[in-house]
Amino acid sequence: AQSVTQPDIHITVSEGASLELRCNYSYGATPYLFWYVQSPGQGLQLLLKYFSGDTLVQGIKGFEAEFKRSQSSFNLRKPSVHWSDAAEYFCAVEAGTASKLTFGTGTRLQVTL
Amino acid sequence: DAGITQSPRHKVTETGTPVTLRCHQTENHRYMYWYRQDPGHGLRLIHYSYGVKDTDKGEVSDGYSVSRSKTEDFLLTLESATSSQTSVYFCAISGGQLTDTQYFGPGTRLTVL
Repeated sequence: AQSVTQPDIHITVSEGASLELRCNYSYGATPYLFWYVQSPGQGLQLLLKYFSGDTLVQGIKGFEAEFKRSQSSFNLRKPSVHWSDAAEYFCAVEAGTASKLTFGTGTRLQVTL
Repeated sequence: DAGITQSPRHKVTETGTPVTLRCHQTENHRYMYWYRQDPGHGLRLIHYSYGVKDTDKGEVSDGYSVSRSKTEDFLLTLESATSSQTSVYFCAISGGQLTDTQYFGPGTRLTVL
């Protein structure tokens, strides 16, 4: 069965600093991978997705992620964090049929001014 | 934003009472999903639907039932609510192709006393 691991429960960064959120997946076939963001009290918004092709994927709000098959990773990055990026971030893998998603447990990002 | 609404947005109920949550979409998407979100668990799939009257179980389906009599509506029912079902419930929709994005509703916060 597929699984997603987000090793960092909580990360704090200073505004303007770079950010990397880690995601590791376990899936037998070629994975379809996603990053979602959830602001407090809100639903989930898609940041970016990877299906195939270029392993560096650009998303909204200045985020990017790199798919590394050899490391089973899909880490999310941003070169300069803004205070409005404070939220919870979820990595997910699409599990074959019916577009079902398996989510990681999330990483809560705190941004200090 | 995808046209997804959930009702009610907040509900407090007592153990043993039946509860129905509604998800309504205006996108005419074939697939609809119910997830629950709990701290430390991320989002977990409860049930999903791949068409009118076509539903299947997800990872955490015990204690829940669903129905879909119209394309636009997907109902989640807790026949006899328990405190362990206190959670935030999210509905999502998708076209159903592997490359389609899942769009999420705003969520329903359910408290079972």
